Amino acid sequence: RKEVEQDPGPFNVPEGATVAFNCTYSNSASQSFFWYRQDCRKEPKLLMSVYSSGNEDGRFTAQLNRASQYISLLIRDSKLSDSATYLCVVNNDNNAGNMLTFGGGTRLMVKP
Amino acid sequence: DVKVTQSSRYLVKRTGEKVFLECVQDMDHENMFWYRQDPGLGLRLIYFSYDVKMKEKGDIPEGYSVSREKKERFSLILESASTNQTSMYLCASSTGGFTHEQYFGPGTRLTVT
Repeated sequence: RKEVEQDPGPFNVPEGATVAFNCTYSNSASQSFFWYRQDCRKEPKLLMSVYSSGNEDGRFTAQLNRASQYISLLIRDSKLSDSATYLCVVNNDNNAGNMLTFGGGTRLMVKP
Repeated sequence: DVKVTQSSRYLVKRTGEKVFLECVQDMDHENMFWYRQDPGLGLRLIYFSYDVKMKEKGDIPEGYSVSREKKERFSLILESASTNQTSMYLCASSTGGFTHEQYFGPGTRLTVT
């Protein structure tokens, strides 16, 4: 079983739609959680951190459910520019540095 | 502005060649990382370093080595390239402690023939 699992998609949605991605992680001791965004042929970039209480940044909302070990990302009012691959990322906070474990990514395609 | 650069965007090498991939960051970050990214497998950590001359194995270190002689530079070495090392290689850096955000370079697409 992979440490961090995501539905690879693609999710094809029209502009203006609301779309949600889920991600599950296997290590119950995981401490920190993130969503990164990766555009086609580009490097990953941090989209947002995920806090236990849930957090929102504009059209993006991230939620964490520790009991069920899953993380979600909700995108409201999708834009064409949201088309990208969204990577779920987990940090186990070991003492040997800032190590992240990446999911395989969920591809989103927003259509006009 | 944060910047991580990699020596090449595209590289083609022959089986058995020694390959050097260079990564430089200008943010005075303590931590540096090398990943490879393959379709269906996501990003997998090869090696990382949390200080000059320090290195730690990641999830898939076999067939690779690294060097960190200066804080800003982290090199990935393929001692004898093989076709299964054809991949996209991404370097990243981050500050020490628990800031967590990793800044990535643009990647090097390596093809081994």
